[in-house]
Amino acid sequence: EVQVLESGGGLVQPGGSLRLSCAASGFTFNMYAMNWVRQAPGKGLEWVSVISGSGDSDGNTYYADSVKGRFTISRDNSKNTLYLQMNSLRAEDTAVYYCAPGGGSRSRGRWFDPWGQGTLVTVSS
Amino acid sequence: QSVLTQPPSVSGAPGQRVIISCIGSSSNIGAGYDVHWYQQLPGTAPKLLIYGNSNRPSGVPDRFSGSKSDTSASLAITGLQAEDEADYYCQSYDSNLSGYVFGTGTKVTVL
Repeated sequence: EVQVLESGGGLVQPGGSLRLSCAASGFTFNMYAMNWVRQAPGKGLEWVSVISGSGDSDGNTYYADSVKGRFTISRDNSKNTLYLQMNSLRAEDTAVYYCAPGGGSRSRGRWFDPWGQGTLVTVSS
Repeated sequence: QSVLTQPPSVSGAPGQRVIISCIGSSSNIGAGYDVHWYQQLPGTAPKLLIYGNSNRPSGVPDRFSGSKSDTSASLAITGLQAEDEADYYCQSYDSNLSGYVFGTGTKVTVL
């Protein structure tokens, strides 16, 4: 069964840092682009970041403007794990953070499936 | 802010058909990028409902169907059931933003 499981969320003060993890199983992790998506309480979905898989040519990372320069996405293919290092956290970063592999092709725009249960990050003093 | 616009809510009686629109622009849907749809039941993670504009993953009832035209897309639910009460989101890729974008979300209520 294809599964992803997020962890690492918690309460952090404004300006602080947190690292999220996403453990993947049931699929060839290194082949897939992996994404982080977040959802603020009572709000809609917001794509955060993507890191290419070995099936992509560039091995690049991309970020939403709202997190660029503060968040860093990375992966450890030997551990089938995706990470999100979050620095300089702000109140508006408070959200449930989901990870999801990207299906389909980059040229047509990937979909996200499956989603984990998410991990809650609360930025507050 | 979302670049894909959806109606905040739609409603219908059991058995009826409802349609959710997703309005984009020339840098996303109109640029030829696929549209995907997700269902989020209360208190749960989103679930892929439609991929590649009109394809259903295994296990998704054929009551759900998707279409795309020009700079917009639609999700239709026919034979509406109480269990379809949920939030629905469209998603695509935007070349101007060099990233993925979600719709504003639509809450479906079964009367």
